[in-house]
Amino acid sequence: DTAVSQTPKYLVTQMGNDKSIKCEQNLGHDTMYWYKQDSKKFLKIMFSYNNKELIINETVPNRFSPKSPDKAHLNLHINSLELGDSAVYFCASSQILPNSQETQYFGPGTRLLVL
Amino acid sequence: GQSLEQPSEVTAVEGAIVQINCTYQTSGFYGLSWYQQHDGGAPTFLSYNALDGLEETGRFSSFLSRSDSYGYLLLQELQMKDSASYFCAVLQGGKLIFGQGTELSVKP
Repeated sequence: DTAVSQTPKYLVTQMGNDKSIKCEQNLGHDTMYWYKQDSKKFLKIMFSYNNKELIINETVPNRFSPKSPDKAHLNLHINSLELGDSAVYFCASSQILPNSQETQYFGPGTRLLVL
Repeated sequence: GQSLEQPSEVTAVEGAIVQINCTYQTSGFYGLSWYQQHDGGAPTFLSYNALDGLEETGRFSSFLSRSDSYGYLLLQELQMKDSASYFCAVLQGGKLIFGQGTELSVKP
């Protein structure tokens, strides 16, 4: 029983293309996230949704557009892909509690390579 | 702003004890978390300290000193499978801010 799943696991595409990554969690969590991990393993948050509402939007190019059709799903669409978008993208979920730490559960990651 | 600092890499031998340090600067603090990530894998939660002191979970322990803005992850009886990257993280503005990660290599 996979808690947080992402598709696809690997994505190789040409510069300028548009691609989407899908994420689903079956943990019943209210909050979902997208992270980008670069080649130096630096893990940085991109977006966060709580009950389908965008609550965190870091300084991310507007070529990246998240969409949450329901609280169990958070997709990421990327337009006009650039070489610098090559990275591993992780989806995560948590049951957020105000001003307290919560455990985040990460999906397996999507390895994006832009050629 | 916020920042976390941890060593970039640590090497140890099987059976040994290793300590991975993390210092942080945040405006507002709700605790320090640790995550483990194997090569090609996803980050997985290891531990969380909200209060000063030591939290133990099997071979892993985590320590926090809020007055020193410092914490560490202690791994005992190292095994080859402990070779991974370890990240400390703090909650800031509703989002987890991760350190740069410490790559632990366990040698036979």
